[in-house]
Amino acid sequence: QLQLQESGSGLVKPSQTLSLTCAVSGGSISTAGHSWSWIRQPPGEGLEWIGYVSHSGNPYYNPSLKTRVTISLDVSKNQFSLRLSSVTAADTALYYCARLVGSTPRFDYWGQGALVTVSS
Amino acid sequence: DIQLTQSPSSLSASVGDRVTITCRASQSMSINLNWYQQKPGKAPKLLIYAASSLQTGVPSRFSGSGSGADFTLTISSLQPEDFATYYCQQSYRSWLTFGGGTKVEIK
Repeated sequence: QLQLQESGSGLVKPSQTLSLTCAVSGGSISTAGHSWSWIRQPPGEGLEWIGYVSHSGNPYYNPSLKTRVTISLDVSKNQFSLRLSSVTAADTALYYCARLVGSTPRFDYWGQGALVTVSS
Repeated sequence: DIQLTQSPSSLSASVGDRVTITCRASQSMSINLNWYQQKPGKAPKLLIYAASSLQTGVPSRFSGSGSGADFTLTISSLQPEDFATYYCQQSYRSWLTFGGGTKVEIK
């Protein structure tokens, strides 16, 4: 059974960089056809896709966040990471990592989520 | 980007009711539409993919239909564990987007 677990800084100051890691167990992040994604949810609001990285390391980002986002793979540790720069209070959210699969891509496995608060 | 509009944004229903949620896209997108269920404090769970395919392990009372720009999620007989928020998500464009959600509450 595939499992994903987010970890990282829970409190980030405005203008700084948010960093999160998603550790994957029960499967390899290098498996062809699988991509690894970050999605966020501000408190009490809906879901926003941030971006994903393919099994080969190619990233795709939400254009609205593209200038601030980096998603990368660490194959040696079987994990992937998110960096979001120049954060503001609007970036306060529950951040989920998830696997994206299929010819009609869908998120089939999710982490439990990591709350990140942006505050001085 | 493709915008997804869900309706209603919330509904009240009783156990045993048939519930229908719709998702309308801003452009035609074949069957590239997925549905998720999210309970409070939990990650979303995939219910339906490719508009009408039931994810493994999901009860058969959940079904999806539609193609193009109009899609529907139906719960044939609402159960107590189905009270949750439901989201649609499109994968037609590489800019993935979610609908605003439909909260299903107990009547």
